[in-house]
Amino acid sequence: GIQVEQSPPDLILQEGANSTLRCNFSDSVNNLQWFHQNPWGQLINLFYIPSGTKQNGRLSATTVATERYSLLYISSSQTTDSGVYFCAAGGGSQGNLIFGKGTKLSVKP
Amino acid sequence: DAGITQSPRHKVTETGTPVTLRCHQTENHRYMYWYRQDPGHGLRLIHYSYGVKDTDKGEVSDGYSVSRSKTEDFLLTLESATSSQTSVYFCAIKRGSSGNTIYFGEGSWLTVV
Repeated sequence: GIQVEQSPPDLILQEGANSTLRCNFSDSVNNLQWFHQNPWGQLINLFYIPSGTKQNGRLSATTVATERYSLLYISSSQTTDSGVYFCAAGGGSQGNLIFGKGTKLSVKP
Repeated sequence: DAGITQSPRHKVTETGTPVTLRCHQTENHRYMYWYRQDPGHGLRLIHYSYGVKDTDKGEVSDGYSVSRSKTEDFLLTLESATSSQTSVYFCAIKRGSSGNTIYFGEGSWLTVV
């Protein structure tokens, strides 16, 4: 089955810094999503991005499906960006996702 | 807000007892999912449903059963809870213009002692 690897596993930033999180997947996918889990455990969908580039405020994501990776960019980070960022990938039509183990981001004031 | 409600939100139960977690949605989505989250493993799919009475197994389905008798409710049952099933359980639905965007409920914290 599909394997999803995220890097780095941990990231500490000073407020205002930029960062790039990477997600590699082992097989062709038609479904690639990024999630943020806040310190209270809530999972928020950031992007559905099986290919191409999308932007939402200070966050943007790019997926290069032919090279089997996706990148999540966070600009001008804020303390509220802290938490764990998950990449999840899948094939088929059922919407089932395989999750990476996440990148834990800590933004210091 | 994806209109997903999980209950109970927190539960402590004893080994060997049956436990049922409920996921309720208000938007009539066809696909519903149960995931568990454990340290070091991320989220893993337990079971999913693609319609009333239509369910299938995910990657970690052993020890779990599900039922969906109404579009709005997806139940996850641990027939005889074990300590290895101590976890956080998330329900999710699939929606969006693309039809593939996943939205999660707030989670159910289950401790088996």
